Amino acid sequence: EAGVTQSPTHLIKTRGQQATLRCSPISGHTSVYWYQQALGLGLQFLLWYDEGEERNRGNFPPRFSGRQFPNYSSELNVNALELEDSALYLCASSYRDRVYGYTFGSGTRLTVV
Amino acid sequence: DQQVKQNSPSLSVQEGRISILNCDYTNSMFDYFLWYKKYPAEGPTFLISISSIKDKNEDGRFTVFLNKSAKHLSLHIVPSQPGDSAVYFCAASMTGGGADGLTFGKGTHLIIQP
Repeated sequence: EAGVTQSPTHLIKTRGQQATLRCSPISGHTSVYWYQQALGLGLQFLLWYDEGEERNRGNFPPRFSGRQFPNYSSELNVNALELEDSALYLCASSYRDRVYGYTFGSGTRLTVV
Repeated sequence: DQQVKQNSPSLSVQEGRISILNCDYTNSMFDYFLWYKKYPAEGPTFLISISSIKDKNEDGRFTVFLNKSAKHLSLHIVPSQPGDSAVYFCAASMTGGGADGLTFGKGTHLIIQP
């Protein structure tokens, strides 16, 4: 069974640009969660999508947004990039909001220069 | 305001000995706790979890203890092996669901010495 896949693995962007990160969940999982892990910090909850809808978001500004497609894959968009957006972005999937079975991808390392 | 705290950024343990990783939380609404292990350049992988209705859960070499009155949990690894060297994250959720996401600690880097 394929795990959670994220692309790209690494992304370098210039301040002010937009970044798009992608995530494909485990087959059968309907929920996708996005997390940010900045240097020296734990994982911070960004967004939760389930059945195509944004269900909840963490304490992040609106320039962090995304969507979930009918096949449950998801995109995270970060607009007007700032230097402090440089971080590892992790995607996780689960069935609905069930924590049991919550599985992470390997992440996208975003560097803003 | 950190709701889940792992106060030891790193821990060094000899191979074969017991590794004990600690985690404290402040939000009494948390009722489900998880431990994840993370290697560099990989995503966190689930290790073991515990519901607030229990005080202990075992899975092979891994045991998690929960002390609700102290708002404290610990992960015991016995015996420690070189492959256990990784960053360990403690995480918590409310009502057993992920609607608010998991709340993570900053992690403890466990180093197993030969």
